[in-house]
Amino acid sequence: DAGVTQSPTHLIKTRGQQVTLRCSPKSGHDTVSWYQQALGQGPQFIFQYYEEEERQRGNFPDRFSGHQFPNYSSELNVNALLLGDSALYLCASSLRVSGANVLTFGAGSRLTVL
Amino acid sequence: KNQVEQSPQSLIILEGKNCTLQCNYTVSPFSNLRWYKQDTGRGPVSLTIMTFSENTKSNGRYTATLDADTKQSSLHITASQLSDSASYICVVSGTTSGTYKYIFGTGTRLKVLA
Repeated sequence: DAGVTQSPTHLIKTRGQQVTLRCSPKSGHDTVSWYQQALGQGPQFIFQYYEEEERQRGNFPDRFSGHQFPNYSSELNVNALLLGDSALYLCASSLRVSGANVLTFGAGSRLTVL
Repeated sequence: KNQVEQSPQSLIILEGKNCTLQCNYTVSPFSNLRWYKQDTGRGPVSLTIMTFSENTKSNGRYTATLDADTKQSSLHITASQLSDSASYICVVSGTTSGTYKYIFGTGTRLKVLA
């Protein structure tokens, strides 16, 4: 039973570029959430997708956008990269209709913006 | 305002010693609280999950307690090992109109020394 998988694991971009990160949720999960985690900080909620629609959004600019596909996998896109976007980007999946609603995290994608 | 505060911010202990990490929250309405362990550069891994009716839950050398009246939780680590060196994140979730929200603490960074 595969857990949450994210790709790529590491990538380096320069300011102004665009990046796409990918996430495959845990088998049986239908909801995907994205988090940004700066070094030494806790994860900050970016947005959540369910049924291919953005359902919740944190305090992030429109440069951050996403998508969920019919197979529940998801992408996070960041445009016009800034140095401050350098962080570990975490994807977490869950099952919407669940009393426990446990978040299962992937290993993350480490983005470095130069 | 929904908040989760963790203390201490960082902690250094010797191998074999016990330690206790604290989590105070003001999330309402409350659904459940979970503790995650996050190794450096990796995604968080769930240790325990507790609903408001549970006072104590154990997972090996990890024991979590919850006082829903005072809105406090603790994570006790017994007989620490070098592999316990990590960040420990408290996450509180609440549900409003069927929508789950996850509030993250900033974590406690634990260092276990030989």
